[in-house]
Amino acid sequence: GAVVSQHPSWVICKSGTSVKIECRSLDFQATTMFWYRQFPKQSLMLMATSNEGSKATYEQGVEKDKFLINHASLTLSTLTVTSAHPEDSSFYICSARQPYEQYFGPGTRLTVT
Amino acid sequence: DAKTTQPPSMDCAEGRAANLPCNHSTISGNEYVYWYRQIHSQGPQYIIHGLKNNETNEMASLIITEDRKSSTLILPHATLRDTAVYYCIVARSQGGSEKLVFGKGTKLTVNP
Repeated sequence: GAVVSQHPSWVICKSGTSVKIECRSLDFQATTMFWYRQFPKQSLMLMATSNEGSKATYEQGVEKDKFLINHASLTLSTLTVTSAHPEDSSFYICSARQPYEQYFGPGTRLTVT
Repeated sequence: DAKTTQPPSMDCAEGRAANLPCNHSTISGNEYVYWYRQIHSQGPQYIIHGLKNNETNEMASLIITEDRKSSTLILPHATLRDTAVYYCIVARSQGGSEKLVFGKGTKLTVNP
């Protein structure tokens, strides 16, 4: 199957700083990618839909100025958590869409101290 | 909100078949049933999907009732590596920008 990678796999940052997470589709092009967040012992929650060459679509309750999404190419989407706070600590997962399946990345664990 | 209902947890003996049920009584005619699983601290993995016919692949079988209001994922010979949270998701064909809405899933534990 298709492969989606994320970088970094884990990151620790200080409160108030920003951190960027990359999501790449390695062997296919994806016009649409999705970003999810997962807190411990909870299910995945969709944050936003990332569309190549256009603005991302955010789910209700997700602050677009805090979670900046850029999808500048058909194989790369980035999520930047700006001014991170401890409550932003979570497991962030991206996925890339193919015609009948979504392929998920391995996730990025963010810890804000 | 998720459109599916699954038991929160199930146990299965290694080597036996694992049958995971899912209720989706409000499914629309153009919606598919998708199954994904998530092994601890990893991204979800696609397993199988179907519209109304039963489907089988190298990982599992999907049995959809005739009225399409419920389905069962079958892992024919469960192994310890099948221990994971299994998500049943109803969505239109992903040819559009259809979002996947994850419910709580079923935590399957395969015991030796």
